[in-house]
Amino acid sequence: DTAVSQTPKYLVTQMGNDKSIKCEQNLGHDTMYWYKQDSKKFLKIMFSYNNKELIINETVPNRFSPKSPDKAHLNLHINSLELGDSAVYFCASSQVQNNEQFFGPGTRLTVL
Amino acid sequence: DAKTTQPTSMDCAEGRAANLPCNHSTISGNEYVYWYRQIHSQGPQYIIHGLKNNETNEMASLIITEDRKSSTLILPHATLRDTAVYYCIVRVANSGNTPLVFGKGTRLSVIA
Repeated sequence: DTAVSQTPKYLVTQMGNDKSIKCEQNLGHDTMYWYKQDSKKFLKIMFSYNNKELIINETVPNRFSPKSPDKAHLNLHINSLELGDSAVYFCASSQVQNNEQFFGPGTRLTVL
Repeated sequence: DAKTTQPTSMDCAEGRAANLPCNHSTISGNEYVYWYRQIHSQGPQYIIHGLKNNETNEMASLIITEDRKSSTLILPHATLRDTAVYYCIVRVANSGNTPLVFGKGTRLSVIA
């Protein structure tokens, strides 16, 4: 059973396009995250949602809009894609009382 | 910014113990030491965490110095599948809705 799943695994698109990445967790966690890992392999937090409410937005351009339709899903929509958006995006989830974050397999986005 | 310092890379012979050091000299009294690892092309995976006592689980052991300014993650019998980037992170415990702050980590190569 997959705990945190993301779709698609790979996404290749042209500059200027709009795309979405979906994330689902079946762990019953109340907090979900999006992290970005750039070409230099640095992993950085982008957004954090708790019970469908945005609690952290780390100075991410407003072209990025997370949407949480329910506690089990946190989707990432990106408008007007730029070359610099090329990266691997990881979704994660956790429970407030717990110490462990569970990560998805990642979505490799390539903007041409 | 990450509050930890780790060596960039290490090698370990298969079957031997891998000892990964981490410095966290500015750790606060309520912060724990967490270890995650990222195997190539996968999402980060939780390994272990501790406050001041040594901890052991099925994956690894964590040794924290008495002054808590440094720690060592020990993989007792490294296998080729342990080749990964290992991240040492300091974080307030039971803060399950706060994101992880990743540093550069240590790239461990287990050699046959």
